[in-house]
Amino acid sequence: SQQGEEDPQALSIQEGENATMNCSYKTSINNLQWYRQNSGRGLVHLILIRSNEREKHSGRLRVTLDTSKKSSSLLITASRAADTASYFCATDADDYKLSFGAGTTVTVRA
Amino acid sequence: NAGVTQTPKFQVLKTGQSMTLQCAQDMNHNSMYWYRQDPGMGLRLIYYSASEGTTDKGEVPNGYNVSRLNKREFSLRLESAAPSQTSVYFCASSPRTGMGAFFGQGTRLTVV
Repeated sequence: SQQGEEDPQALSIQEGENATMNCSYKTSINNLQWYRQNSGRGLVHLILIRSNEREKHSGRLRVTLDTSKKSSSLLITASRAADTASYFCATDADDYKLSFGAGTTVTVRA
Repeated sequence: NAGVTQTPKFQVLKTGQSMTLQCAQDMNHNSMYWYRQDPGMGLRLIYYSASEGTTDKGEVPNGYNVSRLNKREFSLRLESAAPSQTSVYFCASSPRTGMGAFFGQGTRLTVV
């Protein structure tokens, strides 16, 4: 079964608003990664947070990791139409398999 | 700078036919992966190769075989295609485990 599960499954927001999505996972991890997928395209790596880190920033992205709750969140601030995409979390555990969740579909309305 | 290249981009197979999906990366990465993506299921790992000369099963390996031909190339073979293998297949590579992965553009496979 898949390691990570994203919540919500879908999210619709107005341009300029913030978008938050969550990821829960089941077993211990070395790191957690977030990816974006535009319709019909391959996935693009956004950010990686290691198990000993609690928060990480990259441009308009903010990722948190709570290993005690086995959960992570991705915040996109000041969203733009170009942020419309599906977002996936992926966990990297001791077995070195990069396992993905089902994703959150984000729609940014103009 | 091509990154991860998958061929073909589209393929239609008849049930029982065989084919090989090709993947090559030009970034000197050690780790390579094959995933399938189905609607509502996210990406599921079929096989992966942590380094040249090694391959391991992922979540859904049944019906597939892989070959890590060299450091650059990682192919996925369907020996006898079934309609349940209709999916979009993605190849990915990573410098090593513990780092972000780079994805190809995908192969859309339909088995009729």
